[in-house]
Amino acid sequence: SQQGEEDPQALSIQEGENATMNCSYKTSINNLQWYRQNSGRGLVHLILIRSNEREKHSGRLRVTLDTSKKSSSLLITASRAADTASYFCATDATGANSKLTFGKGITLSVRP
Amino acid sequence: NAGVTQTPKFRVLKTGQSMTLLCAQDMNHEYMYWYRQDPGMGLRLIHYSVGEGTTAKGEVPDGYNVSRLKKQNFLLGLESAAPSQTSVYFCARGIIGSSYYEQYFGPGTRLTVT
Repeated sequence: SQQGEEDPQALSIQEGENATMNCSYKTSINNLQWYRQNSGRGLVHLILIRSNEREKHSGRLRVTLDTSKKSSSLLITASRAADTASYFCATDATGANSKLTFGKGITLSVRP
Repeated sequence: NAGVTQTPKFRVLKTGQSMTLLCAQDMNHEYMYWYRQDPGMGLRLIHYSVGEGTTAKGEVPDGYNVSRLKKQNFLLGLESAAPSQTSVYFCARGIIGSSYYEQYFGPGTRLTVT
């Protein structure tokens, strides 16, 4: 079963706007990661946030983690058409023995 | 390609045929993974390996076998292909440390079973 569930399933915004994507999970985790997948390509690691961290930044990306609510959000600021892709959260669950569990993904479309 | 190559890129099989998908990494990472990606299902782990000579089952292992005879290569075999195995297959290598953990994905193999 999927550990991470993203919300919304699809998001369409105008270039320059911010995009916020959410992920909820079920069990305790060591860390949570976000990946991007461009159409027809493999996934690319974006950012990792550990269970003892609450917020992390990387360029235009901001990730938050609320372990009490078992949820995370990914914010992309000042979006660009090139940000159009699918985004997945992945959890490294406690005791998962080096495995990640991926959500079903969010399709982000950024209109020029 | 994140240091991960997959062969072949596309394949069409008939039901009952067998085939092997090859994944090769150009790093020296211990961890390797095979996933399948289906519309609306996200990525599901088929099998994985934590080192040369070791393999373990993931979430959806039935109908697949794997081998990791060399550290650089991770092979995924379909013994008797079924239409339900039509999917895009991704291989990944993983690096895990005390403060980091990332997976690097190959470009995928698109398999159709008719």
